[in-house]
Amino acid sequence: GQQVMQIPQYQHVQEGEDFTTYCNSSTTLSNIQWYKQRPGGHPVFLIQLVKSGEVKKQKRLTFQFGEAKKNSSLHITATQTTDVGTYFCAGLEGTASKLTFGTGTRLQVTL
Amino acid sequence: DAGVIQSPRHEVTEMGQEVTLRCKPISGHNSLFWYRQTMMRGLELLIYFNNNVPIDDSGMPEDRFSAKMPNASFSTLKIQPSEPRDSAVYFCASRLRGQPQHFGDGTRLSIL
Repeated sequence: GQQVMQIPQYQHVQEGEDFTTYCNSSTTLSNIQWYKQRPGGHPVFLIQLVKSGEVKKQKRLTFQFGEAKKNSSLHITATQTTDVGTYFCAGLEGTASKLTFGTGTRLQVTL
Repeated sequence: DAGVIQSPRHEVTEMGQEVTLRCKPISGHNSLFWYRQTMMRGLELLIYFNNNVPIDDSGMPEDRFSAKMPNASFSTLKIQPSEPRDSAVYFCASRLRGQPQHFGDGTRLSIL
């Protein structure tokens, strides 16, 4: 079945440093979504990418979808303590309703 | 607007007992998903429904788990009998076709 892996599993940065998490799917995706889960909370939708090579920005967050639609990345510029949490990518195959969530990257930010 | 509502928020019970988790999706959403989250296995999809019909239950661990959606505004996930390895956070999510999923706050289940 489809597998979605993320690296790194965990990253600890100082506030102001940049952060990137990478997402790789074993199969080609029709779209990819990113979610953020704060400690003790539930996953919250951030963004959806659909087109090959697509790049989207939300303030300090930049999301990319690979040309082959099998990988994606999330880059945070100048991290803040409010960025703490686990970031998940989640892929959809074809017209399926079923999202396959990645393994997640836990981000810790300290002053 | 009310989000996805799950109950109970926390459940602690002894192994062998029946556990029922409940979910009320966002009104108008036509797909509902049950997930389980653990440190070891991450976020796993257990089952999902489209228009109240179960579509894919391949993630349900074993026959002890069952899920129903009797109408568009209610779903249950039942574990009978429960075992300590079922301890996890169980999330329900709903969505409208083509839109992202909205998650509930989850049920933190501990089986002693």
